[in-house]
Amino acid sequence: EVQLVESGGGLVKPGGSLRLSCAASGFTFSRYSMNWVRQAPGKGLEWVSSIDSSSSYINYADSVKGRFTISRDNAKNSVYLHMNSLRAEDTAVYYCARDEDDLVVPSLFDPWGQGTLVTVSS
Amino acid sequence: EIVMTQSPATLSVSPGERVTLSCRASQSVSNNLAWYQQPPGQAPRLLIYGASTRATGIPARFSGSGSGTEFTLTINSLQSEDFAVYYCQQYTDWPTFGQGTKVEVK
Repeated sequence: EVQLVESGGGLVKPGGSLRLSCAASGFTFSRYSMNWVRQAPGKGLEWVSSIDSSSSYINYADSVKGRFTISRDNAKNSVYLHMNSLRAEDTAVYYCARDEDDLVVPSLFDPWGQGTLVTVSS
Repeated sequence: EIVMTQSPATLSVSPGERVTLSCRASQSVSNNLAWYQQPPGQAPRLLIYGASTRATGIPARFSGSGSGTEFTLTINSLQSEDFAVYYCQQYTDWPTFGQGTKVEVK
């Protein structure tokens, strides 16, 4: 069974940092691009960042560019999101999602993890 | 950025009914359109991709149609587990989602 499990969320003060992790299982992790997608409380979905299988092609939404860094460790079947200079508007559930293939730009998201909540508040 | 607009915002329906959800793109996305289902308190799940192809394991009562800028998701004979929020997403350009349509019990 394909499974994605996020961790690392929590409460952080504005300007603070946090690192999210996503552990993958049930598929050949090193053959797929991976994504982070977030959902603010009671709101819709927003793609955040993507990374291809070899970490050669990395993309960010304008809203997080320069503050967030995506990375992966294929030996550990994991993808990470390093978040710096956090703002109140970054408060959201952050989902890890597999792409449909190994792509240079993000495409489809399937499956999704259960999400991890990040709350930015003083 | 391609803006995706879904209508209506909320649909109140009874189990067994047929529902039709709409999604419009601000410019053509060809058939690079996906639909996701998000039950309350759960993660989204891919239903449809390529505008009309059901994802693995998705029941035949779900169908998608359209191309260019106008798309439709139809659910025949709504089941209890289908009450959820539905999102469309384009992937012609950097991915963007619609704001969602909530299908609730009438």
